[in-house]
Amino acid sequence: QVHLQESGPGLVKPSETLFLTCAVSGYTVTNGYYWGWIRQTPGSGLEWIGSVSRGGAAYYNPSLQTRVSISLDKSKNQVSLKMTSVTAADTAVYYCARGDRNLDYWGQGTLVTVSA
Amino acid sequence: IVLTQSPATLSLSPGERATLSCRASQSVSRYLAWYQQKSGQAPRLLIYGASNRATGVPDRFSGSGSGTDFTLTISSLEPEDFAVYYCQQRNNWPLTFGGGTKVEIK
Repeated sequence: QVHLQESGPGLVKPSETLFLTCAVSGYTVTNGYYWGWIRQTPGSGLEWIGSVSRGGAAYYNPSLQTRVSISLDKSKNQVSLKMTSVTAADTAVYYCARGDRNLDYWGQGTLVTVSA
Repeated sequence: IVLTQSPATLSLSPGERATLSCRASQSVSRYLAWYQQKSGQAPRLLIYGASNRATGVPDRFSGSGSGTDFTLTISSLEPEDFAVYYCQQRNNWPLTFGGGTKVEIK
C-alpha cells in the first residue's frame, strides 16, 4: 500500500524559506508517476503548487514559480518542497500527492503557519 | 485552463440524486478527475479519465462528459456523501482544480 507522509516546521516567519518533505512508502518514487504538492488555505479550495517527474522534470503554478522548487530525493524516497520569501498568504495545509492526470494517493497534510 | 464548478452549494436530503457540474475554459479531452473531501481530511480520488471509478469507490458515483463539460452524479445520497467535491484537469500544464461544490444536508 502506498503511503505519503508530509513533515515540516509548522511555523515559519515572514520572508523566511519553507522546507517540507514528503516521505513515500510502498512505492519507489523513481519508478514512475509525477509527485506533487497542493495546498489549501483555511476554508478555501485546492491550489496546485507544482509537480516533478521521476526524471526530475518539474512544472509549477505560474503564480508561485518564482518562489518554489520541487525535487526528488532518491536515497530517502521522498519529495521535497522549497518555498522562498513566505508571507501570511502562504499559511495553509500542504499536501503531497502522487500523479498528474489524477492524484491517486495523498498525504494527510501538514499545517504551515506564517507568522512573526 | 480554468475549471468552473456549479453549483457552489447543493442542499439535498439523503436518498436524493446529486448532479454536480464542472466546465473547462478549453477542452481537456477526458483528462478530468473528481475528488471528495471531508472536513479535516485529504481529498480522495473518486473518478479519473472523466468516467472511471477509482478503487473502492461505490457505484452510486458516476462521471460523464468530455471536452469542456463534465458531470459527477451521485445516484442516491448516503449520509457519508455530504462533503465538498472538486474537479481537476491535467490535459495541459498547469494542473488546475475547480473551486468546489459543497453537498450539504437539506
